[in-house]
Amino acid sequence: NAGVTQTPKFRILKIGQSMTLQCAQDMNHNYMYWYRQDPGMGLKLIYYSVGAGITDKGEVPNGYNVSRSTTEDFPLRLELAAPSQTSVYFCATSDRGLSEAFFGQGTRLTVV
Amino acid sequence: GQQLNQSPQSMFIQEGEDVSMNCTSSSIFNTWLWYKQDPGEGPVLLIALYKAGELTSNGRLTAQFGITRKDSFLNISASIPSDVGIYFCAGHYPGTYKYIFGTGTRLKVLA
Repeated sequence: NAGVTQTPKFRILKIGQSMTLQCAQDMNHNYMYWYRQDPGMGLKLIYYSVGAGITDKGEVPNGYNVSRSTTEDFPLRLELAAPSQTSVYFCATSDRGLSEAFFGQGTRLTVV
Repeated sequence: GQQLNQSPQSMFIQEGEDVSMNCTSSSIFNTWLWYKQDPGEGPVLLIALYKAGELTSNGRLTAQFGITRKDSFLNISASIPSDVGIYFCAGHYPGTYKYIFGTGTRLKVLA
């Protein structure tokens, strides 16, 4: 039982490149979230999903896109990477809102 | 945008001491959560609070949902070295699935 798996763990991108951060869960949770954590800061919600086919914006969605074609996967897409997107990205899942959320180990992204 | 003010920002304490930290909001929340984050890891849920005035314990940790629904408190009793980490509060916007997080309290325990 892997829980929440994020890949890759580390990535360096050049400005303007694109990439997809993967998040997979095997707990059959309906709710999934993407957060970013800047150094010394709390987590800011980028996008979230309440089920397959349903996504919505969080606090800081600009520069990102998401899709939720299956319950298990919730990829986060960066189309044109910018230095401001240098951060640690966390995926989280829950079966009923965020009351009992499980976080992945994070993806550390640097844009240079 | 909405902000959660978490204090203190950091604490250095001696092993065995008690610790208190709090979060305040300008909005009313339905749920308060407290998380701990170890270096290089994702946050782990410590305590969830669902009702104003609720007091909940998890081992040496005790958290309270403020009566005004705009604040929450976390206490750690008899701290030990493994309590080191960053503690985050998170508040739940009523009627949504959105949570916002505080900026964290960095706890260091001196043996």
